[in-house]
Amino acid sequence: QKEVEQNSGPLSVPEGAIASLNCTYSDRGSQSFFWYRQYSGKSPELIMFIYSNGDKEDGRFTAQLNKASQYVSLLIRDSQPSDSATYLCAVGGLGSGNTGKLIFGQGTTLQVKP
Amino acid sequence: EPEVTQTPSHQVTQMGQEVILRCVPISNHLYFYWYRQILGQKVEFLVSFYNNEISEKSEIFDDQFSVERPDGSNFTLKIRSTKLEDSAMYFCASSERGAGESYNEQFFGPGTRLTVL
Repeated sequence: QKEVEQNSGPLSVPEGAIASLNCTYSDRGSQSFFWYRQYSGKSPELIMFIYSNGDKEDGRFTAQLNKASQYVSLLIRDSQPSDSATYLCAVGGLGSGNTGKLIFGQGTTLQVKP
Repeated sequence: EPEVTQTPSHQVTQMGQEVILRCVPISNHLYFYWYRQILGQKVEFLVSFYNNEISEKSEIFDDQFSVERPDGSNFTLKIRSTKLEDSAMYFCASSERGAGESYNEQFFGPGTRLTVL
């Protein structure tokens, strides 16, 4: 059974701080990693994706991937109250025979306090 | 900016009734997906669809479920005889590239909340 694990939180950080969200996955064949943001009652919104080991930065967001440790993380710099949401880690495969299926973690609830 | 749309936003039905959930994927996307999320639980994969065929389906996607692309723009999920446990948020997603390619980011629609009474 392929699993994606996240700490459900809540993770509480003060405004302006760095929020660090973590995710582990069980399938070593996983090749694509996505972070979605989900506000309460809304659909998942793609904010970052990463395919290679290392860091990928996009504005205030940095995704980090370590395939050897089967670990992916999301850093949010200068956290704002509007960043308060549930962050979903999603993992997919790559290559022939893969159908695009994403496996989601439970999500981590982030609270940014003014 | 192009987006995935879904109708209706909320569907209430009686147990045993058939429902059809509709999605319009992003226009140049070729790969389509349905996911569901029971309240308070994980987003779960139901089915992937490409070139008018199901690519993969989960254990949830039993004989009561079917998908169809009836025309060039719509993608539908049908539940033939709804059960109480089918109550969930159903999300349609689409991607431009397939999973066999390097980049296959999936974009989600706003969802249909299905309530089975």
